[in-house]
Amino acid sequence: AQTVTQSQPEMSVQEAETVTLSCTYDTSESDYYLFWYKQPPSRQMILVIRQEAYKQQNATENRFSVNFQKAAKSFSLKISDSQLGDAAMYFCAYKRDSNYQLIWGAGTKLIIKP
Amino acid sequence: KAGVTQTPRYLIKTRGQQVTLSCSPISGHRSVSWYQQTPGQGLQFLFEYFSETQRNKGNFPGRFSGRQFSNSRSEMNVSTLELGDSALYLCASSEPKGQVAETQYFGPGTRLLVL
Repeated sequence: AQTVTQSQPEMSVQEAETVTLSCTYDTSESDYYLFWYKQPPSRQMILVIRQEAYKQQNATENRFSVNFQKAAKSFSLKISDSQLGDAAMYFCAYKRDSNYQLIWGAGTKLIIKP
Repeated sequence: KAGVTQTPRYLIKTRGQQVTLSCSPISGHRSVSWYQQTPGQGLQFLFEYFSETQRNKGNFPGRFSGRQFSNSRSEMNVSTLELGDSALYLCASSEPKGQVAETQYFGPGTRLLVL
């Protein structure tokens, strides 16, 4: 069975600095998708970034980028120029290409220090 | 486009009652998935519907059921509520490419408290 592990329950970073959140996963599949979602105190789950496993190029979305290491089954999220609005729970999620469900990590609480 | 909407946003029920939650997907999206989020178990997949058919179901008891209507709106029902059903229930919609849903977009959730 696939699993997703986020080993950092909580991270803090100074405003305007860079922070990296870790995620590892376990799968025997070759085709899959990986996602980072953000859940602020409002509890709305917001898509941050997505990566297709067949793409070697790391995804980027403005200040957010990933380091996707397929062989190591690692999918970390880098947030540059951290802003107060980035404070939230961040969840890493995995989806098989042939399935409909997201498998989630336990989440990392990101604190931004002004 | 309007996002995914869920109603009601908050709900308080007592043990033994049943509850129905509603989800309206993003216009044009035909796949709707449901997740339960609790502090203890985290996020868990409940089920997914596409074109009024349940295509996949998570590991939940039969008290949890759902359906999808022809306009893609979906409802989930929990019968004989237990204290452990207290959770945030999240609905997500997506538009499959081929047979499989890709990126899922979430609604604001329904927070259910069972007393």
